[in-house]
Amino acid sequence: RKEVEQDPGPFNVPEGATVAFNCTYSNSASQSFFWYRQDCRKEPKLLMSVYSSGNEDGRFTAQLNRASQYISLLIRDSKLSDSATYLCVVNMKRRVTGTYKYIFGTGTRLKVLA
Amino acid sequence: DTEVTQTPKHLVMGMTNKKSLKCEQHMGHRAMYWYKQKAKKPPELMFVYSYEKLSINESVPSRFSPECPNSSLLNLHLHALQPEDSALYLCASSLIIAGVNTGELFFGEGSRLTVL
Repeated sequence: RKEVEQDPGPFNVPEGATVAFNCTYSNSASQSFFWYRQDCRKEPKLLMSVYSSGNEDGRFTAQLNRASQYISLLIRDSKLSDSATYLCVVNMKRRVTGTYKYIFGTGTRLKVLA
Repeated sequence: DTEVTQTPKHLVMGMTNKKSLKCEQHMGHRAMYWYKQKAKKPPELMFVYSYEKLSINESVPSRFSPECPNSSLLNLHLHALQPEDSALYLCASSLIIAGVNTGELFFGEGSRLTVL
């Protein structure tokens, strides 16, 4: 089982739609959680950190469920400019060494259609 | 604008060449990272430096040699690469708090490497 799993998509949605992505992680000793956005041939950029109480930034809402070990991202009122790959990132404690490592999910491709 | 600067942006090299990728940040981050990314795949961790010391090597072949000369700079020395090493090489940095690499990863724009 992969340490961080995402549905790769692609998700093709019309403009204005609401779309949700989930990401599951395997290690309960995970410290912090993030959603990154990556455009084609560009570097990943932070979209939002994910907090235990859930957090919202405009049209974007992130949730963390530690008991079930998943995080989610909800995008409301999708725009054409939201088309990108969304990467789930978990800062996870390695069992053997005790060091922390940022693990990336495979990414979910979103295409918003006019 | 990214606060992590990588050079060169593009690099083409032959299998017998020696070249280096460079990364610089002035955010005071004491953790720095090299990732490799192939098309349509997520970034794959190669190396982590914490307080200028190598803390993670993800079993990367020795033809990739990292170096962290000071707290702001990170290099990746390349020698005798293979065509399958062609990829986007991303540098990133993060804070260390209480001995834990933490907070968001800040990425540079990447160096796109082609090995002929």
